[in-house]
This record gives sequence, C-alpha cells and structure tokens, in this order.
Amino acid sequence: EAGVVQSPRYKIIEKKQPVAFWCNPISGHNTLYWYLQNLGQGPELLIRYENEEAVDDSQLPKDRFSAERLKGVDSTLKIQPAELGDSAVYLCASSLGHTEGETQYFGPGTRLLVL
Amino acid sequence: KQEVTQIPAALSVPEGENLVLNCSFTDSAIYNLQWFRQDPGKGLTSLLLIQSSQREQTSGRLNASLDKSSGRSTLYIAASQPGDSATYLCAVRVIGGGNKLTFGTGTQLKVEL
Repeated sequence: EAGVVQSPRYKIIEKKQPVAFWCNPISGHNTLYWYLQNLGQGPELLIRYENEEAVDDSQLPKDRFSAERLKGVDSTLKIQPAELGDSAVYLCASSLGHTEGETQYFGPGTRLLVL
Repeated sequence: KQEVTQIPAALSVPEGENLVLNCSFTDSAIYNLQWFRQDPGKGLTSLLLIQSSQREQTSGRLNASLDKSSGRSTLYIAASQPGDSATYLCAVRVIGGGNKLTFGTGTQLKVEL
C-alpha cells in the first residue's frame, strides 16, 4: 500500500516568487495535515482538514499562505509571495479520521529553499 | 499551551551502548505520546505510541515509558547500532486538541563504529 505522497521533494525559488506543494494522502484517510519543520526544530501544525473542510488553520499565516483540498483527497499548499524565512521542510500527514488520538502517517516532505 | 522539551539535543555514543532519550511535556491532559524517527531528508517514521493509560511500550530493542503525572517519557535503546543514527522526536496529543501533534525539538543521535 502506498504511503503519503508529496511532490516536489525539493524546490529552490527566489524570494517573492510563488510556490506550491502537493500531497496525496493514504487511500481512505479522511484527515489531512500540513506541518512546517524549521531546521533543528520539531514539526508545527499549519492546517488540518477533515475531508474538504479546514477545521484548524489557526497557525497558517493567511497573508501569504493558502491551502485547499477541493475533493477531500489531494491537497495543495501555496505560498505567495515566498520570503527567505519560509525556507523549511513542509510535511504532509494523514489519518483515518475516525477517532481522536489516532496515528498519523507522514510523507517524506518537500524541502524548500528561498534565495 | 503545551510545550515539549527533549534532552539532550545531540548525543554521540559508541556502538553497542545502551542509551536513554528524554522527553518532557507541560500539560498532562494528553491522549497519548508518540516517538518518531527522522532520517536526513526524509519524513517521520513512527516507532512507538503509548496511550495515556499505559506505562510503557516495547518494540524490539526499543522501550518507551510514560509517566503522565510528572510529564515525562523516556525512550530506551538497547545495544545501539550505527543504523540507529537519526533524529528522534517525541510528540503528544492533547485532549481536545483535535488530534494535533505537539512535537519536541528532537535528539540527534549518532552511533559510531
């Protein structure tokens, strides 16, 4: 069974340019998470989706970040415009969405470098 | 606000040594605590998940303990091997937090030949 798929794996852009990350969760998983991991830090939740609804986006910097999960499956996270401080790893995770406390499964992440 | 701290930040040991990684958290109202492994350039691999009602979990050479009342967990690795070299992260799920994971900053482990 395929795990969580993310693309691209690496992205290098110049500041002020837009960038988008894509995530395909494990089949049948209703809940999808985007995490931000800065160098030397643990991941921090940006947004959580239950099916196509964003139920927790309190940590998402809405002035430049946006996300969508239109059909309740794949999700896209966008940054526009990117800033130097956005250089980090963006992790996507998914879970069944049946019970609180259930295990999340993580993708390999997209490593972003903003020059 | 839940805060998770891991000590030490980095650790280097010779092969074969037993070692302990520490994790502490400030809010004891948790569903569970989970230990992850992260290899360079890769995502997170779940190692052990301990429910709040449990005291410990074991998997192979790994043993994780949980003392919820004191806000502490330890990950014990027996007979360490070079392949154990990675960053180890602990994370907690707070009750009422919507399955949000709050992570520590990790312990970077290097096991030398």
